[in-house]
Amino acid sequence: GENVEQHPSTLSVQEGDSAVIKCTYSDSASNYFPWYKQELGKRPQLIIDIRSNVGEKKDQRIAVTLNKTAKHFSLHITETQPEDSAVYFCAASSGGYQKVTFGTGTKLQVIP
Amino acid sequence: EAGVAQSPRYKIIEKRQSVAFWCNPISGHATLYWYQQILGQGPKLLIQFQNNGVVDDSQLPKDRFSAERLKGVDSTLKIQPAKLEDSAVYLCASRNSGGNYNEQFFGPGTRLTVL
Repeated sequence: GENVEQHPSTLSVQEGDSAVIKCTYSDSASNYFPWYKQELGKRPQLIIDIRSNVGEKKDQRIAVTLNKTAKHFSLHITETQPEDSAVYFCAASSGGYQKVTFGTGTKLQVIP
Repeated sequence: EAGVAQSPRYKIIEKRQSVAFWCNPISGHATLYWYQQILGQGPKLLIQFQNNGVVDDSQLPKDRFSAERLKGVDSTLKIQPAKLEDSAVYLCASRNSGGNYNEQFFGPGTRLTVL
């Protein structure tokens, strides 16, 4: 089955700096890669996603890149703000029924 | 559009007791997922339904966990008997199966504590 690895597990940045979180996946059949933000005690919320036929996608301060050959994808947050502090999960999805496998999470702390 | 509903929000039981969780997905969403999220970890898929059929339960501990989705709408997840290591948040999510890449919508979760 699919295995998704995520690094780093914790990340501290100064407000205004950029943050990068990296994930690798094992199943070459995976074709959809969502990123979720989870604040303490709350449900995961989708922040951006990318399909396997696209190499990069951007939404304001957030961008995701995908390298299918290397089987890795990354989340980039620019101009970080304190409200970006949360746990971020990458995930990989495949198959007709879209089974989703999550990474282990990155706790991002943005220091004011 | 109403979101995914789950109940109860919190449950405390003693080991070897039984517990059941309920999920009501977004109307019209054919795909329903149950995840277990242990503190500090990512959600782990327990079972996935497509309408009222199971499409994946490979990580469901079938000796103690069971789930059903009668009529392809609401779903219940049961643990019997519970162990200490079952303490976690149980998340239900649903997805519109109209396309291949559609977003999952998560419910608020049920936080289970097994003493």
